[in-house]
Amino acid sequence: EAGVTQSPTHLIKTRGQQATLRCSPISGHTSVYWYQQALGLGLQFLLWYDEGEERNRGNFPPRFSGRQFPNYSSELNVNALELEDSALYLCASSAPSGRQDTQYFGPGTRLTVL
Amino acid sequence: AQSVTQPDIHITVSEGASLELRCNYSYGATPYLFWYVQSPGQGLQLLLKYFSGDTLVQGIKGFEAEFKRSQSSFNLRKPSVHWSDAAEYFCAVGERNYGQNFVFGPGTRLSVLP
Repeated sequence: EAGVTQSPTHLIKTRGQQATLRCSPISGHTSVYWYQQALGLGLQFLLWYDEGEERNRGNFPPRFSGRQFPNYSSELNVNALELEDSALYLCASSAPSGRQDTQYFGPGTRLTVL
Repeated sequence: AQSVTQPDIHITVSEGASLELRCNYSYGATPYLFWYVQSPGQGLQLLLKYFSGDTLVQGIKGFEAEFKRSQSSFNLRKPSVHWSDAAEYFCAVGERNYGQNFVFGPGTRLSVLP
């Protein structure tokens, strides 16, 4: 069974540009989570999507947004990129609510903002 | 809101020595508890989890963890460390109610001496 996949592996942008990161969950999983892992700041929760709806978001500005598609894959968009957005962005998925809540992580997308 | 502390930022052990990584949490009820491992530049891999039942949980790669309610702890142990165990280890707390908010600890970096 395939795990969580993310693309691209690396992404280089300049300040002010927009970045789009993609995530495909494990088959059968309906929830997708996004985390930011910046150097020295640990794992920070960004967004949670379940059944196509945004269920929760962390303490990030509105220029961080995303969506979940009918096939449960997800996209994270970061607008007006700033230097401090450089980080590893991790996506995780979990099974439908009511079952085990374990989150399974993808390999991440390394975003570098120049 | 739940919180997680990992008191040790960095631990160094010799190969073959035993290991214990500490995790303390703050949560109003019995939480879901997880340990993940992250190799450099990689995503997070689930080592083990505790939902209920036996408080001593076995995981992959020879790791185990013990849930101690009285101490609000969920420490990770391994009897004999291998050089390949060098990585970053994260403890996480999840809510039992729908919401599935995960809070991660800051991580403990493990170095292994030959």
